[in-house]
Amino acid sequence: GAGVSQSPRYKVAKRGQDVALRCDPISGHVSLFWYQQALGQGPEFLTYFQNEAQLDKSGLPSDRFFAERPEGSVSTLKIQRTQQEDSAVYLCASSSSFYNEQFFGPGTRLTVL
Amino acid sequence: AQTVTQSQPEMSVQEAETVTLSCTYDTSESDYYLFWYKQPPSRQMILVIRQEAYKQQNATENRFSVNFQKAAKSFSLKISDSQLGDAAMYFCAYRSAMAGGGADGLTFGKGTHLIIQP
Repeated sequence: GAGVSQSPRYKVAKRGQDVALRCDPISGHVSLFWYQQALGQGPEFLTYFQNEAQLDKSGLPSDRFFAERPEGSVSTLKIQRTQQEDSAVYLCASSSSFYNEQFFGPGTRLTVL
Repeated sequence: AQTVTQSQPEMSVQEAETVTLSCTYDTSESDYYLFWYKQPPSRQMILVIRQEAYKQQNATENRFSVNFQKAAKSFSLKISDSQLGDAAMYFCAYRSAMAGGGADGLTFGKGTHLIIQP
């Protein structure tokens, strides 16, 4: 594929709503990463998939955050009962293997009112 | 846990001049990777340069080079002949060389905002 794509690019949610953020990695990339970038900060690691297996979810901030990649390609990050502190840009990255360069998508900016 | 520190929130340089961005990190590991990423206002993160810790030779990519001091845990980025298109946030990042250690993602610093003066 041309690059990593993410949708929606912008999402506004009312506090308490559930949201789903989508990531389409580069075709053939087995590794997929999610990061959260708060305003004025560097990205923080959330979770990592190798194909459909979620090998590391140590960065997920609470049990309201859930990620899946059921067929080893597209991934969805779901946030339940959103809170204001969830407002951030959510970045997705993919790589052809764990040790290779991570290519980032444009991100989804989530604003929780 | 590893930490990455960028002590310069903002740097400014005249076009065509050279600028150095600082980064220090803390780790107990001996094998790891270090990166500099560029994030323009459009938000898409782009890899600028990568350094393997086991390599003593400093990485270079065209106008971009690093000064990697393993003992001092320092990893600075030098941009030569600065261009207007270099204006962006620059993030230093660390990653363990061992997968499955519970920290499989990149660890980023807070970033340095680079301004290029025409």
